[in-house]
Order: sequence, then C-alpha cells, then structure tokens
Amino acid sequence: GAVVSQHPSWVICKSGTSVKIECRSLDFQATTMFWYRQFPKQSLMLMATSNEGSKATYEQGVEKDKFLINHASLTLSTLTVTSAHPEDSSFYICSARDLRTSGKQQYQFFGPGTRLTVL
Amino acid sequence: QQQVKQSPQSLIVQKGGISIINCAYENTAFDYFPWYQQFPGKGPALLIAIRPDVSEKKEGRFTISFNKSAKQFSLHIMDSQPGDSATYFCAARAKFNAGNNRKLIWGLGTSLAVNP
Repeated sequence: GAVVSQHPSWVICKSGTSVKIECRSLDFQATTMFWYRQFPKQSLMLMATSNEGSKATYEQGVEKDKFLINHASLTLSTLTVTSAHPEDSSFYICSARDLRTSGKQQYQFFGPGTRLTVL
Repeated sequence: QQQVKQSPQSLIVQKGGISIINCAYENTAFDYFPWYQQFPGKGPALLIAIRPDVSEKKEGRFTISFNKSAKQFSLHIMDSQPGDSATYFCAARAKFNAGNNRKLIWGLGTSLAVNP
C-alpha cells in the first residue's frame, strides 16, 4: 500500500525559531501534496497545495511567507514554519496524491502528522 | 461557508450496535465522497468512499448510503466495536477544474465512542 511519512513526529521549539517538517511518499510518486493543520477536536484545515516543481497554492488566510512550502521532488515536500509563535502550535498533516490512482478511488494518502509545540 | 455539514458532532454506541453518521453537501460539483477515520495523534486514514453514480457501497462492517437527489450521504458501522472508537470525517472532492487540484472539502467530524 501507499505510505506517507512525516518527520519529525513531534517537535518543541522556542518562539521566534523556524521549524521544518518533511513529508515523504515512500513507495509512490506524488505530483501533488497537500498540507493541513488541525487543532484539537477540530476538522482538518487545508493550508496549501504543492505541486512538484512549482509554487504552492495557498488557501485564503494562510500566510505564504510564514508557511514556506517546497516540493522539490516527486517524493518530498517540506513545510517550514518561520518565526514560529505559540499560536502556530498545532498538528500538521500532509497528504500525497498517488500519480497511479488518478481517477480511481484511492485519492489522498495521509501522513501520521507532526505535533508542533511552540513555547 | 461550510459546504459539507456533518452530524452528529459526537456519538455513543453500545458494542454490537449500529453507528450512523450523516453528511449533507450543498455543491453539486462534487464527484467523490470519502470517509476517513482518525485516531488521536494520528493522521486520517481512508475508510470507504463512493461516487455519485452509486447509491450504496459496502465494505465489511462499513456501508455508505448515498442519496444524490437529497445531496446526502451517510456512514453506517454495523456491529460496532470498541476499537471503532475514533473521529470520523466525511469529505467531498470537487470535480475537475483546471487549477483547483481537486481538493477535499471536509466535514467537521464526529467523535464516536463505542462502549464495551
């Protein structure tokens, strides 16, 4: 089955520092990856969609200069939270769209998430 | 604007019972309706999904019922087990439109607790 990994699984950082989260598709190629954030007991909120080799498309209200997304290859996308503040503390989840399943049922495979805590 | 409305917000079911979660959508330009299961501290996992040309789909204890005219779809979990206790999200995917990357529109989730 298609597996998506995230690293790190959790991170604690000081306010003002930057944190990078990696999202990898381990056994498939993903032209499109999605980044979500989720607050406790809430739904997933799409932050941005990244396509390999091009600039990410950010959802309304998401600061692109604060949440830097790079999709450098078909198996790796990174989210960098710049100058993190306590309000950025959240659960960040990525998903990847398998090239092979375009038009088929299995659409997005989700990573296990990264818990970010900003002190 | 919440395009996919999910209910109930929380649900408690006895072991062996049937869990039913409902979703309604407003936009007819959706072509794929998945249900995801999420355990605490984990990413969501696809449970079952349906396309609008089918009225029902069953996979093991999980069934999706789809009512296109009413723009509603529901998840039924038969013989609910304590291990089914999780948060369930319905979602809808927009039809192809150049540039929209066919993102998922999510419901707000239902927290299911199955008592032993």
